[in-house]
Amino acid sequence: GENVEQHPSTLSVQEGDSAVIKCTYSDSASNYFPWYKQELGKGPQLIIDIRSNVGEKKDQRIAVTLNKTAKHFSLHITETQPEDSAVYFCAASLYDMRFGAGTRLTVKP
Amino acid sequence: GAVVSQHPSRVICKSGTSVKIECRSLDFQATTMFWYRQFPKKSLMLMATSNEGSKATYEQGVEKDKFLINHASLTLSTLTVTSAHPEDSSFYICSARDSATNEKLFFGSGTQLSVL
Repeated sequence: GENVEQHPSTLSVQEGDSAVIKCTYSDSASNYFPWYKQELGKGPQLIIDIRSNVGEKKDQRIAVTLNKTAKHFSLHITETQPEDSAVYFCAASLYDMRFGAGTRLTVKP
Repeated sequence: GAVVSQHPSRVICKSGTSVKIECRSLDFQATTMFWYRQFPKKSLMLMATSNEGSKATYEQGVEKDKFLINHASLTLSTLTVTSAHPEDSSFYICSARDSATNEKLFFGSGTQLSVL
C-alpha cells in the first residue's frame, strides 16, 4: 500500500519568512496530492491540492510542487503569519488516501 | 468550500455505554466516507471506509463489532463505539469524499470522546 513520509515534524519560522514542508510517497500510481491544515481541537481543512498531471499550483501565499519522477511533493508558504501556525498534513491518493505524520508549524511574531 | 458536519463535538460517557457519532455532508453527496482516530500530536489513523449501502471496510486491527459503522444515505455515516472503555478515549474524525469529483476529501470537525 501507499506510504507517505513527511518532513520536518516541527518547523519554527519568523513572521514574514517562508516555510517549506516536504513529503515523499511510495506508490507511483497515486494521482492526487492534497494538503491539510489542522488547528488544535478541529478537523483538518483542505488548503490546496494538486493532481499528478500538474507540476505546480499556487494560491496566494501557498504553493505546492510535485515531482512525479522522484515521487515527492512540497508545500511552500510565503510571507508567513502567526495565524499560519498549525499542524499541516500531506496526503497521497489513488483511491484510499494516506497521510503523512504531520508538521507542526510555529510562526513567531 | 464543502461542509462536513460532525456531531457531537465532545462527549463524556461511562465505561460500558455506547456512543454514536454522526457525520453529514451538507452540500454534496458522498458515496464514500472515512473514519479516523487521532491521538494527541499524532497523525490520522484510518479506522474504516464506509460505502453507502454496503458494509464498511475496516483496517487491520480495528474491531468491527466494537466500532459499528452505518452509511445509510449519500450524506450520512454514523460511527457507534459500543461498550466503550477508557482506552477508547480519543479524537475521532470523519471525512467525506465528494462523489462529483471522486477525489476531494473534506473533514468534519472531530469528536473528542472521553470514557470514564
